Amino acid sequence: DAKTTQPPSMDCAEGRAANLPCNHSTISGNEYVYWYRQIHSQGPQYIIHGLKNNETNEMASLIITEDRKSSTLILPHATLRDTAVYYCIARGGADGLTFGKGTHLIIQP
Amino acid sequence: NAGVMQNPRHLVRRRGQEARLRCSPMKGHSHVYWYRQLPEEGLKFMVYLQKENIIDESGMPKERFSAEFPKEGPSILRIQQVVRGDSAAYFCASSPNSGRQVHGYTFGSGTRLTVV
Repeated sequence: DAKTTQPPSMDCAEGRAANLPCNHSTISGNEYVYWYRQIHSQGPQYIIHGLKNNETNEMASLIITEDRKSSTLILPHATLRDTAVYYCIARGGADGLTFGKGTHLIIQP
Repeated sequence: NAGVMQNPRHLVRRRGQEARLRCSPMKGHSHVYWYRQLPEEGLKFMVYLQKENIIDESGMPKERFSAEFPKEGPSILRIQQVVRGDSAAYFCASSPNSGRQVHGYTFGSGTRLTVV
């Protein structure tokens, strides 16, 4: 799996859009980009994934650059319950997921 | 429809004892994955099992750790002769089919092992 780089922490005001960047400059053509989050003391929660097209679901949007070297997870209207560690993962054919240290997103009231 | 169930939630063991962690996958899921999370770290993949088979144990420590997923009953992660460095949160995830075809795993709430 390709290495991903994320900022260690970010703040966002409640009600605003939270934009979480991820760099995966060595990603290969068959590797998907996945986002999970982990709210304190809980198991990780799947958010969204994509290959090269932008994706949207009920939780978030995923924007992947045309060269696929980076992506951004967007939480359109952040709430206090979105405070969590967000993990960006580039995964190909491996059975398991490789989690880095992620971004600790803090939503400020 | 219950999610992935892990028990116990918290487990305290003295050095040298054995720890047994249990994971019941979601109904209809026959694939189980174990992960370990050390304090202030991300999750690390340990092992992937199907019913009665270990598919990928590339992340398992070579000694003292073993895992099984019997035909009946939960998956078990067993740690023999625990040491302080085994203190961590252990998470289990499940999926309905092969990991390589799955885009979203369901994780349990984890077992927090403390070795004293």
